[in-house]
Amino acid sequence: EIVVTQSPATLSVSPGERATLSCRASQDVSTNLAWYQQTPGQAPRLLISGASTRATGIPARFSGSGSGTEFTLTITSLQSEDFAVYYCQQYNKWPRSFGQGTKLEIK
Amino acid sequence: EVQLVESGGGLVQPGGSLRLSCAASGFTLLNYWMSWVRQAPGKGLEWVANIKQDSSDIYYVDSVKGRFTISRDNTENSVYLQMNSLRAEDTAVYYCVRDFHVRSRDKYYYYMDVWGKGTTVTVSS
Repeated sequence: EIVVTQSPATLSVSPGERATLSCRASQDVSTNLAWYQQTPGQAPRLLISGASTRATGIPARFSGSGSGTEFTLTITSLQSEDFAVYYCQQYNKWPRSFGQGTKLEIK
Repeated sequence: EVQLVESGGGLVQPGGSLRLSCAASGFTLLNYWMSWVRQAPGKGLEWVANIKQDSSDIYYVDSVKGRFTISRDNTENSVYLQMNSLRAEDTAVYYCVRDFHVRSRDKYYYYMDVWGKGTTVTVSS
């Protein structure tokens, strides 16, 4: 099974600033990586697939990059609604595996 | 509007059973693999099971094999998760999820593009 590791576990950033979240896979997953956002009490929501393709309706301030084993989610000009938990997931091999999440909190 | 609505969660004693249902609308269920994903209180996401469009392929996480059964009825636009021999560690919010497929070099890859709001399962005496 591919192990997916996210860092940091918690990230404190001020509104209007940029946040950079990292995701690492234990083996090459090409660009078969997705990012999900989960706000408190809500279901996860797809943000990005294919490592860098935004899902429908996702603002341009969200961007994804990377391939192979190293991936990054960048959120520019943080808005209040962006403070949430973010999960990455590899879907290159089954079973598909999630990272443990990064909590983005207000500084 | 594409929508998934789960139901059937509740409080059950250890060793008991529950059947979760997922009602799909706004899309043709027959065209998609479907999954169940769970989230224990305060924890991350864990894929539980998934099922192919025609039910010919089914997969489970090791921890539920032999206890949980995923099924679907495309004519009723529904997906199900029968959970038997429930344990305290099965306590979680269970999400019904649509698997979206992309094709690359004669292979298909599946990510989770639509999520229901979830139904809560609590296993406790």
